[in-house]
This record gives sequence, C-alpha cells and structure tokens, in this order.
Amino acid sequence: SYVLTQPPSVSVAPGQTARITCGGNNIGSKSVHWYQQKPGQAPVLVVYDDSDRPSGIPERFSGSNSGNTATLTISRVEAGDEADYYCQVWDSSSDHSYVFGTGTKVTVL
Amino acid sequence: EVQLVESGGGLVKPGGSLRLSCAASGFTFSNAWMSWVRQAPGKGLEWVGRIKSKTDGGTTDYAAPVKGRFTISRDDSKNTLYLQMNSLKTEDTAVYYCTTVVLVVPGNWFDPWGQGTLVTVSS
Repeated sequence: SYVLTQPPSVSVAPGQTARITCGGNNIGSKSVHWYQQKPGQAPVLVVYDDSDRPSGIPERFSGSNSGNTATLTISRVEAGDEADYYCQVWDSSSDHSYVFGTGTKVTVL
Repeated sequence: EVQLVESGGGLVKPGGSLRLSCAASGFTFSNAWMSWVRQAPGKGLEWVGRIKSKTDGGTTDYAAPVKGRFTISRDDSKNTLYLQMNSLKTEDTAVYYCTTVVLVVPGNWFDPWGQGTLVTVSS
C-alpha cells in the first residue's frame, strides 16, 4: 500500500515560515490535500489539489508538489496556526483507498 | 450551512457490535459520496471506508483492517449515513468522523467533517 511520511514535528517562531513535507513514491503524479487539526477538534481542509485553498483559508497557507515530496508552507506564522497537519492522497491503484500522512505537529515558539 | 453530526458512539466489549449514524444537512446528501475516517487516541487519521451515491452505483470500499467486519450504508430519505461495526477489537477504539468526499479528478478529498463520535472497545 502507498505510504506518506511526514516529520513528527516542526517548530517555528511567530512571523516566520513553516514548511511541512509529505514524502511518497512519485507523489508528484498524485493530487495532494492538507488538513489542519487543532486539539479536540475535527480536521479542516486547508489546501486541496496540491496548491488550491478553500474559501476562508488565509493566503498564508500554500502548497506545492513535485517528485517525491509535497510541501505545505505556512507564511507569517501566527499562534493560532499551532496544530497537527496531515497530507492525504487518493491511491487509485490500491483498492481505491485514501491514504493519510503520519502527521506533523506544528509548534509556535 | 453544511453540517454533519455523528452519534452512536460509546463503550462496547471486544467482540461486540455498534452502529454509528451521521445526520447530514445543508447539501444534497443523495448526490454525495460519503466516508468514515477514524483517529485512535493520540494517533493519526485513518480512512475506514467510503460509499458512493446511488446514482454512481452505491458501492462501498473499505480499508483492510475493517473489511469484513464493518459495513457502510446510507438512507437518502433520512439524509443519514451509517457505520455498522461488528466483531469489534480493542484496536478499533477511536474517534470516528463522518465526512463528504469531494470528487475532482484526479484527486478525492474530504470536506467538510463532522465533530466525531468516540468508540471505546474495552472489557
């Protein structure tokens, strides 16, 4: 089955840029989506189709995808961005299953 | 406003059964593909299964750990999604989220999500 690997944690100072990677075999050929999950809350979609943002998501959230790595970038990080972030793809070759990354805890220093 | 509200969680013994429900509103439920995603305590997100709209065949797909034990169904007249869980194991302990599958080739993603319901499997 398809595996997505994320760093367990990323720390960033307020106002700086956080980059969260999502590694997978030839992930650049797939469409990657990102979710933010704050403690005790349901996940919220923040980026879809590699780099598009749903309405209501700040422009500070952006995404890219190439080769074996997709990246979620959070610019001008704020305290409210502290959360867990998960990448996700649809693996059409594997029983049409949906795969989530291992998750990354973003800590705002 | 689109809303998904799960219910039916609780404490069940290993080997037991439980049925979760997800009440949908604010969109045309009958046209939607729906999915269940779970999250064990302190762990990451895990896809459980998906059901297509009846227009698209109404078929289901499941993750390997639950295949043969869990069944997803829908009642479009009640705008409700179900997850029947049988032969429950301790490792099925998790918050179970109901979510809508957004279909845009080549990617499928989940938006929005319900608030989740906790299932605890313990003796």
